[in-house]
Amino acid sequence: EIVLTQSPATLSLSPGERATLSCRASQSVSNYLAWYQQKPGQAPRLLIYDASNRATGIPARFSGSGSGTDFTLTINSLEPEDFAIYYCHQRSNWPITFGQGTRLEIK
Amino acid sequence: EVRLVESGGGLVQPGRSLRLSCTTSDFTFGDYAFTWVRQAPGKGLEWVAFIRGKLYGETTEYAASVKDRFIISRDDSKSLAYLQMNSLKSEDTGVYYCVRCDRDYGGNLDYWGQGALVTVSS
Repeated sequence: EIVLTQSPATLSLSPGERATLSCRASQSVSNYLAWYQQKPGQAPRLLIYDASNRATGIPARFSGSGSGTDFTLTINSLEPEDFAIYYCHQRSNWPITFGQGTRLEIK
Repeated sequence: EVRLVESGGGLVQPGRSLRLSCTTSDFTFGDYAFTWVRQAPGKGLEWVAFIRGKLYGETTEYAASVKDRFIISRDDSKSLAYLQMNSLKSEDTGVYYCVRCDRDYGGNLDYWGQGALVTVSS
């Protein structure tokens, strides 16, 4: 099973700042890595797929990069609605797995 | 607008069964694979089960934690997906999300339902 490790566990930033979230895989997942955003009481929402492609309707301030085992989600100029939990997910190998999440909170 | 709506959740005793349904609309159901993802209270996301489309024989995959207890299925004529959960345990408690995959053989988890709460307790 591929283990995804996200860091940091919690990130405290202010609106307008840049957020950098990391996801590291225990073995290569090629570019089969996605990022999801989850707000309290809501279902997760697909943000980035195949490491660097924005999903439909996702603002340009969200970007993804990486391949193999190291991936980054960057959120430029944080908006109030961006404070949420972010999960990475790999679909390279069965079982598909998720990272444990990074909580992005308002400083 | 693509929609997925889960139903069938509730309170159930350990060892009993429950079936979740996923009603979908506004897309061609047969063109996609589906998966179920669950989330225990206050915890992260855990993949549960997956089913490919008809062209791929509606083959399935299961997480080790539910294999031999849960069965995923689909009815393309009704645009419905199901998760039959047997021999339920307290650790199966959580919100269960029905999720569309953007290919009929798998792919990214592009649309999620709002979730159905399953509570396993005596």
